[in-house]
Amino acid sequence: AQSVSQHNHHVILSEAASLELGCNYSYGGTVNLFWYVQYPGQHLQLLLKYFSGDPLVKGIKGFEAEFIKSKFSFNLRKPSVQWSDTAEYFCAVITGANNLFFGTGTRLTVIP
Amino acid sequence: KAGVTQTPRYLIKTRGQQVTLSCSPISGHRSVSWYQQTPGQGLQFLFEYFSETQRNKGNFPGRFSGRQFSNSRSEMNVSTLELGDSALYLCASSLVGGRGTEAFFGQGTRLTVV
Repeated sequence: AQSVSQHNHHVILSEAASLELGCNYSYGGTVNLFWYVQYPGQHLQLLLKYFSGDPLVKGIKGFEAEFIKSKFSFNLRKPSVQWSDTAEYFCAVITGANNLFFGTGTRLTVIP
Repeated sequence: KAGVTQTPRYLIKTRGQQVTLSCSPISGHRSVSWYQQTPGQGLQFLFEYFSETQRNKGNFPGRFSGRQFSNSRSEMNVSTLELGDSALYLCASSLVGGRGTEAFFGQGTRLTVV
């Protein structure tokens, strides 16, 4: 069965620190990959997506992610986080089943 | 354009009751999916509707059901509520669903079962 793993449950960083959130999926076929963000009290918003092509994907607010097919990974990165990046981050994948599977989420707390 | 609208935003029900949640997708979107979000479990897929037909279903008991109308609006029903059904229920719409399309989420309905 398809699954998405986010190994970091809660990450605490100081402002200006670099961020990398891990995401691994289990599915051998073609996938679409996503990172969503949920700010406190707000709805899920798309940060970035990968459908095909360049495996390095740039999203909104300075986020980027790299698809490494051999590692079944799609890690999210940001070189310098801000207090306003405090939120919950979800990795998701669409596989042949054609519906989104989500990881359990990573809560990011940025300390000013 | 208007986003995905879910009503009501908050609900409090007692065990054994049933509840109906509503989702209005973005205009032109024909695929509507429902998710249950709980702390520690993340988002779990309930079902997806496309053109009034249930196209995909997650691993939830039969107490959870849904439907989609001809205008793509969707409802989700939970019967015989249990305490464990307390969660944020999210609706997502996309043009046609599946690979190659992007899903847009509503703000959710917070259901509390007491």
